[in-house]
Amino acid sequence: AQKITQTQPGMFVQEKEAVTLDCTYDTSDQSYGLFWYKQPSSGEMIFLIYQGSYDEQNATEGRYSLNFQKARKSANLVISASQLGDSAMYFCAMRTGGGNKLTFGTGTQLKVEL
Amino acid sequence: EAQVTQNPRYLITVTGKKLTVTCSQNMNHEYMSWYRQDPGLGLRQIYYSMNVEVTDKGDVPEGYKVSRKEKRNFPLILESPSPNQTSLYFCASSLRPGQANTGELFFGEGSRLTVL
Repeated sequence: AQKITQTQPGMFVQEKEAVTLDCTYDTSDQSYGLFWYKQPSSGEMIFLIYQGSYDEQNATEGRYSLNFQKARKSANLVISASQLGDSAMYFCAMRTGGGNKLTFGTGTQLKVEL
Repeated sequence: EAQVTQNPRYLITVTGKKLTVTCSQNMNHEYMSWYRQDPGLGLRQIYYSMNVEVTDKGDVPEGYKVSRKEKRNFPLILESPSPNQTSLYFCASSLRPGQANTGELFFGEGSRLTVL
């Protein structure tokens, strides 16, 4: 069975600091994709970044980077230079089963402080 | 504008009164899926569809039905809603994952359902 674990229910970070949100996954599939989504208080789901299981380089998108450690089955999100607008819930997700199956973690609530 | 549209956005109903939450996408996506979001549980997959007339159960299908008669539409049907179906519901769509795309999900804005 597929599983995503986010062990940090809530985190605080100072503005302009970097923060790492943890995500570990479990799957027996060899081919899978890992995603991070942001959910601000308004409720919409915003795609941030993607990492394929066969990608050799860590994905980066602007201030977001994904620290992919395949052997440890971890896919941590790193946000550099945090901004107040980064305060939101962050979900790690995994796509497996040829794309049919999507599993989400329970989320990490990030609060950026002045 | 590329989007996934859900209706209604908010609904309060009573136990047993059948309801349908509509979902429509204008991106010609093959894959569509429904999720429910509950505090502390994240998003859980209810049903998904890989193409027209092809649907399958996700992790929490009990109490729900879906249909996919057209590529753009994927309604979620609650035949006899119960209070434990009070939740925030999301519809999402994507291309089929492959070499040309990541299979990124595009989400609707969510439908907040309360069953009394």
